[in-house]
Amino acid sequence: GENVEQHPSTLSVQEGDSAVIKCTYSDSASNYFPWYKQELGKRPQLIIDIRSNVGEKKDQRIAVTLNKTAKHFSLHITETQPEDSAVYFCAASRANTGNQFYFGTGTSLTVIP
Amino acid sequence: GAVVSQHPSWVICKSGTSVKIECRSLDFQATTMFWYRQFPKQSLMLMATSNEGSKATYEQGVEKDKFLINHASLTLSTLTVTSAHPEDSSFYICSARVEGGSTGELFFGEGSRLTVL
Repeated sequence: GENVEQHPSTLSVQEGDSAVIKCTYSDSASNYFPWYKQELGKRPQLIIDIRSNVGEKKDQRIAVTLNKTAKHFSLHITETQPEDSAVYFCAASRANTGNQFYFGTGTSLTVIP
Repeated sequence: GAVVSQHPSWVICKSGTSVKIECRSLDFQATTMFWYRQFPKQSLMLMATSNEGSKATYEQGVEKDKFLINHASLTLSTLTVTSAHPEDSSFYICSARVEGGSTGELFFGEGSRLTVL
């Protein structure tokens, strides 16, 4: 089965700085890699995703990069704001309806004002 | 985006009782739903894949008789925690993908926090 590892587990940055979270996966058949943000006591929300036919995707202050050969992908948040503070999860999946998502262990991001 | 609704949000029960959690896809049909368990400050652990009209597929280490899953329709899956004990206290979240959707995005319910006394 798929094994997703995520680092770091906690991350503190000053407001305005960048934050980078990294994940690796083991199943070469995985082709869909979403990132979810979860605030305390709430459901995870998709913030950005990338498919295996793309190396990089950007949405305003958030970007994700994917290296299929090395089986790792990263989340980049620039110009961080206090409201970015949350737990972030990466995941890997095969992009078919019935296939499971496997989540990383999560990164607790704190943006210090 | 698609909406997944989960009920109840909070439930407190006594040891030995059973608790049922419902997961509904409100504006789409879901042949498959996924049930996750989340401990405080930890990741989402996949418990089982719920398949409409057939038996659920459980992940290794998850007790089938403990966590009963029923997927009776294309919009409803239920998780029943049987003979609950304090160690079953956790946050349970269901999720589903849109059938035939192009994004592959997984939509989550609000989650159900179970406390077993």
